[in-house]
Amino acid sequence: EPEVTQTPSHQVTQMGQEVILRCVPISNHLYFYWYRQILGQKVEFLVSFYNNEISEKSEIFDDQFSVERPDGSNFTLKIRSTKLEDSAMYFCASSGRLAGGPQDTQYFGPGTRLTVL
Amino acid sequence: GIQVEQSPPDLILQEGANSTLRCNFSDSVNNLQWFHQNPWGQLINLFYIPSGTKQNGRLSATTVATERYSLLYISSSQTTDSGVYFCAVESGVNDMRFGAGTRLTVKP
Repeated sequence: EPEVTQTPSHQVTQMGQEVILRCVPISNHLYFYWYRQILGQKVEFLVSFYNNEISEKSEIFDDQFSVERPDGSNFTLKIRSTKLEDSAMYFCASSGRLAGGPQDTQYFGPGTRLTVL
Repeated sequence: GIQVEQSPPDLILQEGANSTLRCNFSDSVNNLQWFHQNPWGQLINLFYIPSGTKQNGRLSATTVATERYSLLYISSSQTTDSGVYFCAVESGVNDMRFGAGTRLTVKP
């Protein structure tokens, strides 16, 4: 069964450094998403992406964050100048929703645990 | 934005018992999903159910969209059912919002 994959599974970085989290969505899916979950808290929406541009973003997704689809398979989340409070699990998801069609199931990857020291 | 409330926040069961988890939401939705987060942190998709009823083995879910709630039923619970159950909704735009979850502990 197709699945969303994410790398790395765990990333440790120093405060102020830049990190790039990588995701490979399910092939032929058109909608992509990033979420984060601070330890012990609920999952929070960051951004959705369609047709090579941001579709929606939350108040969390400020100028520190950016997303990109650099090629036909990868979807990345870049965090510039990381802060201690960026430590969290970051989930990527993709949806089989058709272009302009109704919402469909979002499938989540296993997550990348980011630790900022 | 849309508000999602889940109840109860915590639930402890003996193996074999049945349970009902509830999700209330504050606006009309066009996507509702139930997830199980296992002890390793993975989010396992259980149901895509913006309306109606679905069943998958010991689990079933019902969403009454007009009354803005969804229920997840777990029958004959097993220790492997332990974890956090999240309800998540989308309301018209591409931003799915999660509830705070129900932490289920099934004791042998």
